[in-house]
Amino acid sequence: DIVMTQSPDSLAVSLGERATINCKSSQSVFYSSNSKNYLGWYQQKPGQPPKLLIYWASTRESGVPDRFSGSGSGADFTLTISSLQAEDVAVYYCQQYYSTPYTFGQGTKLEIK
Amino acid sequence: QVHLVESGGGVVQPGGSLRLSCAASDFTFSDYGMHWVRQAPGKGLEWVAFVPHVGSNTNYAGSVKGRFTISRDNSKNTLHLEMSSLRAEDTALYYCAKNKDPYKRDLAFDYWGQGTLVTVSS
Repeated sequence: DIVMTQSPDSLAVSLGERATINCKSSQSVFYSSNSKNYLGWYQQKPGQPPKLLIYWASTRESGVPDRFSGSGSGADFTLTISSLQAEDVAVYYCQQYYSTPYTFGQGTKLEIK
Repeated sequence: QVHLVESGGGVVQPGGSLRLSCAASDFTFSDYGMHWVRQAPGKGLEWVAFVPHVGSNTNYAGSVKGRFTISRDNSKNTLHLEMSSLRAEDTALYYCAKNKDPYKRDLAFDYWGQGTLVTVSS
């Protein structure tokens, strides 16, 4: 199974500042035949289901604000929120869908400093 | 707007069985692979099972393989999860989720239901 490890486990950032969450996979999730990284990022607010933010490691889902961006390739990935807003307080998960069992990181709790 | 509504959760004794359902609407259900994902109270997300848009090439997490069965009824736009030999560690909120693109597997999950709570306790 591919193990997904996020860092940090929790993060406090001031409003308007940048937030960065890292995700490492235990093996590459890059598929060379189509040059895609099988990596997604989800946001989960309290009492709500997860919401897809980013897929293919860097493609923003429709309707997601452009302050959210994803980067990285192979086994190292980053979710960046360029200017933190109050509504961004949530738990963020990375997920690999390269192979089953599809696996999630343990989550990163993002709070306002 | 896609709608996914789970049902069938409840309290069950260890060793018992339960059948979850997910009613899908406002998209062509028969074109999309579907998943069950669970979240234990206060914990992270765990993928449980996948069923393709057609056929029986299903996949399971190791923790549920042999005990859970995912299936779908495309004529009724419904996804199911048959759970047996339930354990305390199966206690969780169970979400159904949809693949982002039609006909394919190995994709992100673009819509999720609100979940149905399963509690395994004596």
